[in-house]
Amino acid sequence: ILNVEQSPQSLHVQEGDSTNFTCSFPSSNFYALHWYRWETAKSPEALFVMTLNGDEKKKGRISATLNTKEGYSYLYIKGSQPEDSATYLCASRNAGGTSYGKLTFGQGTILTVHP
Amino acid sequence: NAGVTQTPKFQVLKTGQSMTLQCAQDMNHNSMYWYRQDPGMGLRLIYYSASEGTTDKGEVPNGYNVSRLNKREFSLRLESAAPSQTSVYFCASSSGGGGNQPQHFGDGTRLSIL
Repeated sequence: ILNVEQSPQSLHVQEGDSTNFTCSFPSSNFYALHWYRWETAKSPEALFVMTLNGDEKKKGRISATLNTKEGYSYLYIKGSQPEDSATYLCASRNAGGTSYGKLTFGQGTILTVHP
Repeated sequence: NAGVTQTPKFQVLKTGQSMTLQCAQDMNHNSMYWYRQDPGMGLRLIYYSASEGTTDKGEVPNGYNVSRLNKREFSLRLESAAPSQTSVYFCASSSGGGGNQPQHFGDGTRLSIL
């Protein structure tokens, strides 16, 4: 069982602040890293899937970076808005053995953006 | 845009009862998944189906069975419900089963076992 850790567990910021949080995952046999956004009372929604070391992805004010050698990914939100309030999940897929297709999720970072 | 549809949305069972959670996707995806979400824990994979006709165990398969009825539908069955199976269950699908395609989630089924 992989160990995917996210930090911090929760974060409170003011509207307009920029923020970032971390996902740590095993670097051995790395295959893919997923980021999801999960709003209360809704279902998780995919933000990014990243596979290459050094990869950077961007969607609007949200961006993510990936370091597969050291096993971490950062998610950045520029100019946070109240509608960015959600739980942000990362999930890792590592290759080999019986892990085909299986994602291991972290516990998530709960972001609250105050107006 | 239906996407991934789960039924029912809520269910209360007594210990020992059985039930089947239904999941259907209309995106022509090959792979489907069942997860459970418990407080303080990440989404944990119960079973998945990489393609029609195949199923495989995930991290927490005990007490569950699955059926990939066709390409669209993937059901999860609790044969004899236990209080430890009280959870929120999510079905998901992806176009490929290799892990480099995003997963699309249903709205979840909140299940309580008394």
